[in-house]
Amino acid sequence: AQSVTQPDIHITVSEGASLELRCNYSYGATPYLFWYVQSPGQGLQLLLKYFSGDTLVQGIKGFEAEFKRSQSSFNLRKPSVHWSDAAEYFCAVGARRNNDMRFGAGTRLTVKP
Amino acid sequence: DADVTQTPRNRITKTGKRIMLECSQTKGHDRMYWYRQDPGLGLRLIYYSFDVKDINKGEISDGYSVSRQAQAKFSLSLESAIPNQTALYFCATSENDRIYNEQFFGPGTRLTVL
Repeated sequence: AQSVTQPDIHITVSEGASLELRCNYSYGATPYLFWYVQSPGQGLQLLLKYFSGDTLVQGIKGFEAEFKRSQSSFNLRKPSVHWSDAAEYFCAVGARRNNDMRFGAGTRLTVKP
Repeated sequence: DADVTQTPRNRITKTGKRIMLECSQTKGHDRMYWYRQDPGLGLRLIYYSFDVKDINKGEISDGYSVSRQAQAKFSLSLESAIPNQTALYFCATSENDRIYNEQFFGPGTRLTVL
């Protein structure tokens, strides 16, 4: 089965600074890849997804992610972080043959003023 | 109104009690899912249903059962709750399509088993 590793449990950045959240996946074929955000007390909201095609994917709220097959990575980036971006971020990988989606453990983002 | 709703939002119960968590959706999606979220473990799939007659076990189905009463309703039951089932539970839905679709999540139910 597929799996996801998010190496960073907690990241703190200053408001206005750039952000990169790491995601590495394990899957034998080309996966479906997702980034979700969970604000405190809320459900998960999809930021962006990769199915095929252009490896640089644009999402909502100014986020982007790049699929790198050679590194089995799908890192999330934002050029300038806002205080409202403080949340927990989950990377997920889905298998193309079924609906089995596996989530990483999450990275909690704190934004300093 | 929210597209995916979960009831209750919070529940405290005792070991051995039977608990049912309910999920309703107005998105018209065929596929529904139950996940649990534990700190440091992310979300893990408990059960999923592709339509009313199709129920499948997920990664961690032991100790849980589900019922798909209608396209819009998918319930999760803990027949005899135990403390390590204390977690945040999410329901999600997606379209029934050949292409892998986005899952839409409810707000979650926080369950505490004492």
